[in-house]
Amino acid sequence: GAVVSQHPSWVICKSGTSVKIECRSLDFQATTMFWYRQFPKQSLMLMATSNEGSKATYEQGVEKDKFLINHASLTLSTLTVTSAHPEDSSFYICSASRFPEAFFGQGTRLTVV
Amino acid sequence: SQQGEEDPQALSIQEGENATMNCSYKTSINNLQWYRQNSGRGLVHLILIRSNEREKHSGRLRVTLDTSKKSSSLLITASRAADTASYFCATQLINDYKLSFGAGTTVTVRA
Repeated sequence: GAVVSQHPSWVICKSGTSVKIECRSLDFQATTMFWYRQFPKQSLMLMATSNEGSKATYEQGVEKDKFLINHASLTLSTLTVTSAHPEDSSFYICSASRFPEAFFGQGTRLTVV
Repeated sequence: SQQGEEDPQALSIQEGENATMNCSYKTSINNLQWYRQNSGRGLVHLILIRSNEREKHSGRLRVTLDTSKKSSSLLITASRAADTASYFCATQLINDYKLSFGAGTTVTVRA
C-alpha cells in the first residue's frame, strides 16, 4: 500500500500560538488530500479538501482563516492551526487520495494549553 | 458529513470467534470501503467493494454489499487479539474523491 507520513505525531502548544502539521505522500503523487478532525471515540469529520496548486475547499462550519491549508506540491499538504485555543485540541488526520482509495497519515494529537 | 451508520457501536469477542459489523448509508454510491483504526493512529484501508459487486473477500475479511437495502457488512473470521481496533465504513459517491465515514464499530478481541 501507499505510505503517507504525517508530522508531528503529537504537539503541545500555548494558547494563541500557531501550529503547522505536515502531510506527505511518500511514494505517490496526490493531487487531492484531505484533512479530518476526530474527537475521542467518534468518527472522522472532514474539515477540508486540499487540491494541489489551488485553494482548499472547506466543509461547512470550518473556519478557513483559522485552519489554513496549503498544498504546494503533489506530495505535501500542510494544515496550520492559527491562534490556537484549548477547544482546538483534537486528533487531526490527513489522507492522500489515490482514487478510489485513500491512504492516511498517522495522525497528530494537538493539545492547546 | 457522515452518511453511514454502523452497528454495533462496540463488540467484544473471544479470540477465534467471528466478528460481524454492519453499515447502512443513505444515498447511491460508487463504492464502499472499510478501514481499520488502531487506538490513537491513522486509518488503514482494508477492502473496497464497488456498487456492482455483492461480495468480496480478502484474507480473513468478507464484505457484502446490498445496494437495494443500502447496507454493507464486514465479517472478520477467526479473530485474533491483533484485530482489536475500530472499524469504519466509508462511502464514496460517483465522480467524487471524498469519503463519508460511518460512526465506527469498536472491536475488542479477548485472548
